[in-house]
Amino acid sequence: AQRVTQPEKLLSVFKGAPVELKCNYSYSGSPELFWYVQYSRQRLQLLLRHISRESIKGFTADLNKGETSFHLKKPFAQEEDSAMYYCALSETYNTDKLIFGTGTRLQVFP
Amino acid sequence: DVKVTQSSRYLVKRTGEKVFLECVQDMDHENMFWYRQDPGLGLRLIYFSYDVKMKEKGDIPEGYSVSREKKERFSLILESASTNQTSMYLCASSSLGGTGELFFGEGSRLTVL
Repeated sequence: AQRVTQPEKLLSVFKGAPVELKCNYSYSGSPELFWYVQYSRQRLQLLLRHISRESIKGFTADLNKGETSFHLKKPFAQEEDSAMYYCALSETYNTDKLIFGTGTRLQVFP
Repeated sequence: DVKVTQSSRYLVKRTGEKVFLECVQDMDHENMFWYRQDPGLGLRLIYFSYDVKMKEKGDIPEGYSVSREKKERFSLILESASTNQTSMYLCASSSLGGTGELFFGEGSRLTVL
C-alpha cells in the first residue's frame, strides 16, 4: 500500500542552522511528491513539488528513488520557517488524491 | 484571490447529533476533498469528489457521508456524531489535471461532547 513516513514529529534548530525534514515513501509506481506547509493560524498550502525542481523560500527537495526519499532541505533556517510541514504523495497521476504523512513541526529558535 | 471557505470555524455538538460541515470554493474546481487532521496522525482523507453528484470513499469514510449537489459546494455529514470524531476538518479543492496543488480552507474544529 502507498505510504508516506515522516519519522520526526518535532525538529528544533537555531536560526542559521541547516534543516533537513525527512520523508520516505512506499509506492509501486512513479510517484508524484510534494511538500505542504502550515504556518501558525494560516491555511495549509503547497510549498513545492518534485516535478518542478524548484527552490521555494530557500527550500529544496530531491526525489531519491533508490532510497524512496524526498527530504526537504534548507541550508540556513530562519525564524519564519517555523511551521508544520507535511510530505505528500499523489496516488494516481491526474487525480490530485494525495496521501499525507504525519507531519513534522519545525521550530527555529533565535 | 482563490478561496475555499468553510462555513463554521468552531462547532460543539453532543454525541448522537447530526452535523453538517459546509465547504464552498470559488475557483470552478472539479475536485473537492474532505480531510481530518489529528496530531500525530497527519491528514487522512475521508471522501472526495471529482464532479457534481459524484463521490468516492477515502481512507476513513466510516461514520461520514458527503453531498455535492453543485460544483462549488461539498458538504460533509456526520449522521450521528461520536466523541472519536472530535477533530479538525479540512476541505480542499483542486483543478482537474493532476498538478498536486490542493487549495485548503481554514478548517472546522469540531468538538463532540
